[in-house]
Amino acid sequence: AIQMTQSPSSLSASVGDRVTITCRASQGIRNDLGWYQQRPGKAPKLLIYTASTLQSGVPSRFSGRGFGTDFTLTITSLQPEDFGTYYCLQDFNYPHTFGQGTKLEIK
Amino acid sequence: EMQLVESGGGWVQPGRSLRLSCEASGFSVDDFAMHWVRQAPGRGPEWVSGIAWSSHNVGLAESVKGRFTVSTDKAKNSLLLQMHSLRAEDTALYYCAKGRKSGYDLGLPDFWGQGTLVIVSS
Repeated sequence: AIQMTQSPSSLSASVGDRVTITCRASQGIRNDLGWYQQRPGKAPKLLIYTASTLQSGVPSRFSGRGFGTDFTLTITSLQPEDFGTYYCLQDFNYPHTFGQGTKLEIK
Repeated sequence: EMQLVESGGGWVQPGRSLRLSCEASGFSVDDFAMHWVRQAPGRGPEWVSGIAWSSHNVGLAESVKGRFTVSTDKAKNSLLLQMHSLRAEDTALYYCAKGRKSGYDLGLPDFWGQGTLVIVSS
């Protein structure tokens, strides 16, 4: 199975900051990757698909980049509601695999 | 308006079986790929299974292969997960999710239910 390695595992940032989360695949996955936000007690919410396409209704401060093995999720101008845990998920092949998550805390 | 409602979870002893159901409304489960994703307490999500293209494309996580079966019930517009030989490590909140894509590819889950809790314990 393809392993997805996220970094950092946690971070703390202030409102207005720019934040970048990285996801690395153990083998090339083209751009078959999505990013999710999960708040406590809630289901994950799709933010980005095909590595860089913004899901409908998601604020434009979220953006994604990458192809092959290295991917990033960037949040520009962090807002209080952006707290939660962020996960990448590859759908290049079976089994689909998640990264281990990045817990984002707002200072 | 789209909705996914999971049911069938509960407490079960190791080695026993359980069937989860996910009733969809606002769309047809045969028109989109569908997924099961689980999340153990305090852990990240784990993709369990996906089904697409009238069940011609089915995928399962290695940890559940040979024990879990995924299917759809068109008449009830539902996604099903039949789970056999349950283990303690199967304890999790099981989410049903709609896939982004129609057709053969599974794609990513883009709309999720609220989950049903499965506890496997003696």
